[in-house]
Amino acid sequence: EIVLTQSPGTLSLSPGERATLSCRASQSVTSNYLAWYQQKPGQAPRLLIQGASSRATGVPDRFSGSGSGTDFTLSISRLEPEDFAVYYCQQYGRSPITFGQGTRLEIK
Amino acid sequence: QVQLQESGPGLVKASETLSLTCAVSGASISPYYWSWIRQPPGKGLEWIGHLSNSGSTNYNPSLKSRVTILVATSKNQFSLKLSSVTAADTAVYYCARAMPDHTFDIWGQGTMVTVSS
Repeated sequence: EIVLTQSPGTLSLSPGERATLSCRASQSVTSNYLAWYQQKPGQAPRLLIQGASSRATGVPDRFSGSGSGTDFTLSISRLEPEDFAVYYCQQYGRSPITFGQGTRLEIK
Repeated sequence: QVQLQESGPGLVKASETLSLTCAVSGASISPYYWSWIRQPPGKGLEWIGHLSNSGSTNYNPSLKSRVTILVATSKNQFSLKLSSVTAADTAVYYCARAMPDHTFDIWGQGTMVTVSS
């Protein structure tokens, strides 16, 4: 199975700053089938990015995804208070579907 | 508006079978893939398996010997059965709709299942 490793484990930033989250795959992700999700405490995950770089419906344009092959990045251009949460990457190019262990984005 | 709602016992005894149902409202169950995903307390997400629009299933190999996902099309529901549970199966269980590319665009609120000894 494809193992996804996210870094850093925790990212401490202030509102207004830029966040860069990394997701590295143990094998190349087929057709860039890589998604990002946001999860807030007590809530289900929310789809942000699919196909490595396409924003899901209703996702603000401060969120952007990039990368290919084994290295992917989620960027948040200017952090809003509601952006502080846990972020997961997910690959769906090869079964079994796998998720990264998550990056916690916390307020500095 | 499509909504998913999980239901089932919140407490299951070790060695027994965990059974959950996901009710789908606002959309037909037929055209999509439907998945179960779980999250142990304080940990990350684990895909359990999915049911395709053709009725075929695909399970995580780590759970395959214990998992069954079934559809009840007439009720617009699908279900999860996980047999021989242990404490390691304690988690929040989510049902989710998967798009054809297997991204999960709609999730239920999740239901906590605790396995007791």
